[in-house]
Amino acid sequence: SQTIHQWPATLVQPVGSPLSLECTVEGTSNPNLYWYRQAAGRGLQLLFYSVGIGQISSEVPQNLSASRPQDRQFILSSKKLLLSDSGFYLCAWSRDRGRDFYGYTFGSGTRLTVV
Amino acid sequence: EDQVTQSPEALRLQEGESSSLNCSYTVSGLRGLFWYRQDPGKGPEFLFTLYSAGEEKEKERLKATLTKKESFLHITAPKPEDSATYLCAVQAGPGGSYIPTFGRGTSLIVHP
Repeated sequence: SQTIHQWPATLVQPVGSPLSLECTVEGTSNPNLYWYRQAAGRGLQLLFYSVGIGQISSEVPQNLSASRPQDRQFILSSKKLLLSDSGFYLCAWSRDRGRDFYGYTFGSGTRLTVV
Repeated sequence: EDQVTQSPEALRLQEGESSSLNCSYTVSGLRGLFWYRQDPGKGPEFLFTLYSAGEEKEKERLKATLTKKESFLHITAPKPEDSATYLCAVQAGPGGSYIPTFGRGTSLIVHP
């Protein structure tokens, strides 16, 4: 069966510090991978998605970046965190090809607090 | 632009008091509508996918229905463990982005 791992679960970082959140998927190959941010009362905001190694699409311009160094690994990074980067970050994968989409499987999330 | 509106934002029920959550959507051709459950501090958990008007799906005390403009998540005789935020998302049809658009969710609290 497929599983998705996301870590760390919680993170407190000072303003201006770097960030690296990691997500890995097991039990499937060539998944589509996504990074979402969820702010209280604002729903899920898509940040990045990737359909393959080295292929990253950005949905929202900001000081975050994403990378996919391996087929089942997705990394969210920042060189300098802002207070506004605080939030709940979710990684997800989907098994979809073209017109067929079978829904997301989400990770357990990372609560990031920038202080 | 695809839009998803969920109502109410919050709902408080007594155990056993049945009710419905609403998800209204505007999309250029619906490919799929998804319901998720999210517990505090955790990632959303997939519940249902609905593809066409008239379709219904059930899981334990939950039943999801779909029309051309909205979906309902009916909760029958809820229990405290049904307390969670329920998210709705829609995926556009041909020519649209395959990335689903999410609503803001309905926070459900079931009191014993």
